[in-house]
Amino acid sequence: GAGVSQTPSNKVTEKGKYVELRCDPISGHTALYWYRQSLGQGPEFLIYFQGTGAADDSGLPNDRFFAVRPEGSVSTLKIQRTERGDSAVYLCASSSNPGLNEQFFGPGTRLTVL
Amino acid sequence: GENVEQHPSTLSVQEGDSAVIKCTYSDSASNYFPWYKQELGKRPQLIIDIRSNVGEKKDQRIAVTLNKTAKHFSLHITETQPEDSAVYFCAASTQHPDMRFGAGTRLTVKP
Repeated sequence: GAGVSQTPSNKVTEKGKYVELRCDPISGHTALYWYRQSLGQGPEFLIYFQGTGAADDSGLPNDRFFAVRPEGSVSTLKIQRTERGDSAVYLCASSSNPGLNEQFFGPGTRLTVL
Repeated sequence: GENVEQHPSTLSVQEGDSAVIKCTYSDSASNYFPWYKQELGKRPQLIIDIRSNVGEKKDQRIAVTLNKTAKHFSLHITETQPEDSAVYFCAASTQHPDMRFGAGTRLTVKP
């Protein structure tokens, strides 16, 4: 079946601009996660959704970052007033059950802030 | 919160040799420990995982061991092949499902 998909695959923007990154989880997966991966580092947790609600947003670095999942499926990560330090690969993952089940990752969106 | 340390950061082995990557974690409540393989420019893919009620798990050439007392777990790859070359990440999570990853180990298998 179809895996986790993310769009766009690459996004180049200018400092100060607003960006939206989209994640389509595996159909039926109730749990959805966003991670940020900088070069040479492991994925860093940002936010976790169970259904439509953000069950844990403790990883969001500041209030410029926000994510939604209005219908419990597709999620959008929104970054306002982008900074050069936001440049990274943003990974989305989903799982059928949170906590003890495999998280399936999407291919990521490479964000470059000039 | 949970903190995961991973060693070594790079590892080079000859084809056919074994490779071992070690991780330690800080939160004694962690009970799920997956290992992901990430090839250049690709998504992380789960290769093996272990839960805290098990001390060892094996899948063909890959095995993972867990020492809950010492709070460390290790990945063992035997009979390494060039296609095993990738970055490997360990991770740990509790019932609270935000997973914390190690910084990764770049494994190179020389033919």
